[in-house]
Amino acid sequence: DAGVTQSPTHLIKTRGQQVTLRCSPISGHKSVSWYQQVLGQGPQFIFQYYEKEERGRGNFPDRFSARQFPNYSSELNVNALLLGDSALYLCASSIDRYQPQHFGDGTRLSIL
Amino acid sequence: QQQVKQSPQSLIVQKGGISIINCAYENTAFDYFPWYQQFPGKGPALLIAIRPDVSEKKEGRFTISFNKSAKQFSLHIMDSQPGDSATYFCALQVLFGNEKLTFGTGTRLTIIP
Repeated sequence: DAGVTQSPTHLIKTRGQQVTLRCSPISGHKSVSWYQQVLGQGPQFIFQYYEKEERGRGNFPDRFSARQFPNYSSELNVNALLLGDSALYLCASSIDRYQPQHFGDGTRLSIL
Repeated sequence: QQQVKQSPQSLIVQKGGISIINCAYENTAFDYFPWYQQFPGKGPALLIAIRPDVSEKKEGRFTISFNKSAKQFSLHIMDSQPGDSATYFCALQVLFGNEKLTFGTGTRLTIIP
């Protein structure tokens, strides 16, 4: 079975630009969460969506937004990119809100 | 404020030895304690997890020991192998509350021949 898939795998942007990252959950999984992992640190929670509704939001500025589609895939949008947004962005899916989360391999975002 | 403290930051163990990684937390509301393994260029992979109603869980060479009163839990890797060389993260979750995972800072484990 396919795991969590994320696209693109790598992305280079410049400051002030906007970016959209995409995530397809494991088939049958209805919950999707987004995490930011800065080099050398543990992942930090950004958002969780379940049944297309936002269920949780981490301590990130309003420049970060996300949505979940009827097929349970998800997009993470980041506006007005800053150098500090350079990180690995991870998507995790779970069957529902109370089951273990399984991660994709992430999108490596570099801001120049 | 860091909600979980993970140690050591890095660990070198000889092949066949026991690798031990520790985590301590403050908030007693957490009720799900997974460990994730991450290889370079990959996302974290769920390794093993425990609920606070048991003190130990074993899956193959991997064991979680949980001390609820001390608010500590640890990962033991028995008969450590070079393929176990990776970064390990403990995590915490309030299973029926805010569903986010709160991660430790990670331990880089290196198994030497």
